[in-house]
Amino acid sequence: DVKVTQSSRYLVKRTGEKVFLECVQDMDHENMFWYRQDPGLGLRLIYFSYDVKMKEKGDIPEGYSVSREKKERFSLILESASTNQTSMYLCASRVSDPYEQYFGPGTRLTVT
Amino acid sequence: QKEVEQNSGPLSVPEGAIASLNCTYSDRGSQSFFWYRQYSGKSPELIMFIYSNGDKEDGRFTAQLNKASQYVSLLIRDSQPSDSATYLCAADPLSSGSARQLTFGSGTQLTVLP
Repeated sequence: DVKVTQSSRYLVKRTGEKVFLECVQDMDHENMFWYRQDPGLGLRLIYFSYDVKMKEKGDIPEGYSVSREKKERFSLILESASTNQTSMYLCASRVSDPYEQYFGPGTRLTVT
Repeated sequence: QKEVEQNSGPLSVPEGAIASLNCTYSDRGSQSFFWYRQYSGKSPELIMFIYSNGDKEDGRFTAQLNKASQYVSLLIRDSQPSDSATYLCAADPLSSGSARQLTFGSGTQLTVLP
């Protein structure tokens, strides 16, 4: 079974803090993704990576950065957390063929 | 803008009925399609995918694809209260280069009434 894990289920941080969200997959998938999901706005892609040290911006990269030093791990970084980054953050991974994408359990981040 | 459209619902069906969830997509180049189920407060769970025109059955679930009409549907037979969730449709566009990103619909909320 594909397994995607995320470092925290719930996280509370203060405005201005640097926040690290970690995602690990155990299926040797090339592609990894970070989304955020907000009521009424659906899933929005923040960043994705198709290989180690490779990254590309998604639809809403502002205020975020990512790191992928190892194939199995993809980190999302909030450089200076703001209240509008309060959201559910979802990591996903995907093999190139046959393209099935699997999500981690999500991290609900609250920035106060 | 490549889009995947779903009726947001809510869609209510009685227990034991067939629930029909529909999805249309704008990118004719889309090659494969995925249905995810998402319970409230949880992450999306992949339940089915389909690549070819026609029907694909898996237990109580049937996915239907009509590429000419750019239409995908998910039928849930013998609906159970445990099927109550939001169902997300996603399309995989045909594109070259780096990771292919799924385009997600906004989801249809299904309620199965006991």
